[in-house]
Amino acid sequence: EIVLTQSPATLSLSPGERATLSCRASQSVSNSLAWYQQKPGQAPRLLIYDASNRATGIPASFSGSGSGTDFTLTISSLEPEDFAVYYCQQRINWPLTFGGGTKVEIK
Amino acid sequence: EVQLLESGGGLIQPGGSLRLSCAASGFTFSTYAMSWVRQPPGRGLEWVSSISGSGGSTYYADSVKGRFTISRDNSKNTLYLQMNSLRAEDTAVYYCAKDKRAMAASYYFDYWGQGTLVTVSS
Repeated sequence: EIVLTQSPATLSLSPGERATLSCRASQSVSNSLAWYQQKPGQAPRLLIYDASNRATGIPASFSGSGSGTDFTLTISSLEPEDFAVYYCQQRINWPLTFGGGTKVEIK
Repeated sequence: EVQLLESGGGLIQPGGSLRLSCAASGFTFSTYAMSWVRQPPGRGLEWVSSISGSGGSTYYADSVKGRFTISRDNSKNTLYLQMNSLRAEDTAVYYCAKDKRAMAASYYFDYWGQGTLVTVSS
């Protein structure tokens, strides 16, 4: 099973600041990685797929990068609605796995 | 507009059975793989099971293999999860999720239902 480790667990930032979230895989997943955003009481929302492709309707402030084992989700300037929990997910091997999540909270 | 509506959750005793349903609309259901993802209260996401568009291929997490069965009825645009021998650790919100890509599944999830809560407790 591929283990995805996200860091940090919590990121405390102010609106307008840049957020950098990390996801590290226990073995190479090539570029087969997605990022999701989840707000309290809501279902997750797909942000990024294939490591760097924005999903439909996702603003350009969200960007993904990386390949192999190290991936980054960057939010260039945090809007109030961006404070949420973010998960990475790999799809290269069964079982599909998610990272433990990074909570982006208001400082 | 894509809609996924789960139902069937509730309180069940350990060892019991439950069947979840997910009614889909707004897309050609039979051409998309579908999946179940769960989230224990206050915790992260865990993939449970996936099924191909035709229903011919199914995949399971080790934690549910042999106890849960995923299926679909493409004539009814409905996804199912039959859960047997339920355990306390199966307590979670269960989401159904649609694959991002038609025909050749990507196993990325671009639409999710609102979730249905399953509580396993005596």
